[in-house]
Amino acid sequence: AQSVTQPDIHITVSEGASLELRCNYSYGATPYLFWYVQSPGQGLQLLLKYFSGDTLVQGIKGFEAEFKRSQSSFNLRKPSVHWSDAAEYFCAVAMEYGNKLVFGAGTILRVKS
Amino acid sequence: EPEVTQTPSHQVTQMGQEVILRCVPISNHLYFYWYRQILGQKVEFLVSFYNNEISEKSEIFDDQFSVERPDGSNFTLKIRSTKLEDSAMYFCASSDPAPKQYFGPGTRLTVT
Repeated sequence: AQSVTQPDIHITVSEGASLELRCNYSYGATPYLFWYVQSPGQGLQLLLKYFSGDTLVQGIKGFEAEFKRSQSSFNLRKPSVHWSDAAEYFCAVAMEYGNKLVFGAGTILRVKS
Repeated sequence: EPEVTQTPSHQVTQMGQEVILRCVPISNHLYFYWYRQILGQKVEFLVSFYNNEISEKSEIFDDQFSVERPDGSNFTLKIRSTKLEDSAMYFCASSDPAPKQYFGPGTRLTVT
């Protein structure tokens, strides 16, 4: 069955430190890949996406993600975390145009000063 | 940037009552979706809608649920007889032919 795994439920990093959030997927082919962020009580904001081409994609708010086909991974990174980055981050995949998104369980990011 | 809007932001209803959640997708989009997120859990797909019909639905989307695009702008989710376990945040999303989905801010449904 198709699945998305985010192995870290919670991550705490110091402000200014680097961040990497992990995402692995299980699909027969390369899906479309997304990272969304959700602040408490808010909706889902798209950070970045990968459809094809360059495997390192840049997103908003200084985030980037790297697609590694051999590892079926799409990890999210940020070189220097800001306190405002504290939120929940969801990795999601879709197999084709118009297809549903399948979400991972999310990773809650805490930023300590 | 165009936005998906949803009303109401919060709906409280009694068990057994019908509720209609409303969404206005982005105007030139062709695919419409409903997702839900039970508090503390991940976002789950409910249903997708294309060309005036359901294109896919999940196991959650049983006979108590229905969707409709009553006019050229609105997209609604109806729950006929709400249950306590329907309490969740419901997100509407839309997309054009590209797979990028734009999400609305959500409607928090509380069933008492």
